Amino acid sequence: AQKVIQVWSTTSRQEGEKLTLDCSYKTSQVLYHLFWYKHLLSGEMVLLIRQMPSTIAIERSGRYSVVFQKSRKSISLVISTLQPDDSGKYFCALWELAASSGQKLVFGQGTILKVYL
Amino acid sequence: GGIITQTPKFLIGQEGQKLTLKCQQNFNHDTMYWYRQDSGKGLRLIYYSITENDLQKGDLSEGYDASREKKSSFSLTVTSAQKNEMAVFLCASSISGGAVAEQFFGPGTRLTVL
Repeated sequence: AQKVIQVWSTTSRQEGEKLTLDCSYKTSQVLYHLFWYKHLLSGEMVLLIRQMPSTIAIERSGRYSVVFQKSRKSISLVISTLQPDDSGKYFCALWELAASSGQKLVFGQGTILKVYL
Repeated sequence: GGIITQTPKFLIGQEGQKLTLKCQQNFNHDTMYWYRQDSGKGLRLIYYSITENDLQKGDLSEGYDASREKKSSFSLTVTSAQKNEMAVFLCASSISGGAVAEQFFGPGTRLTVL
């Protein structure tokens, strides 16, 4: 079963709009971290947000924020005032402290965002 | 700052061929990773290495070998390329393997098998 689920595989929005990308995850661990990455068309992978169960550790830009609902095991990425440069593929990822998962991230399938003028 | 370089950027191979992808990082990071990204799927971990000469299998290690002969480099070998295989292979590194360490990614190698 998939541990990290991103419902949308692709979406398009107009410049200036606000977008919410949803991500749900499955874990039975107490200690885990969640991440949102952006995969640029150039190939570069950029960390946008890291969410621990109680705090937000990294925020790359004021236009990126998260809605974290721990009880629902959901973390949504919110991008305000979309710009064409926001186009790319967005990945949600889970790291959990468990002997079986070791030191690895589990990624969702990603959502391709296209921002048009 | 630092950088992760992956070579080659594009790799075209024949079915059954053995293909090697290389990754270099100058962050002086301990842990390095190889991921595979297929269209419609998330990144899947192939191998990772927490230090020089260490290798740990990920979820997708079958069909691949890896080598970490130096701290700064991590290579991945496709032991027998599969026809019609197309994927992007991403290399990453982090200071340690724990969650507090951000993973930095390279630009990727795009593989096409004819």
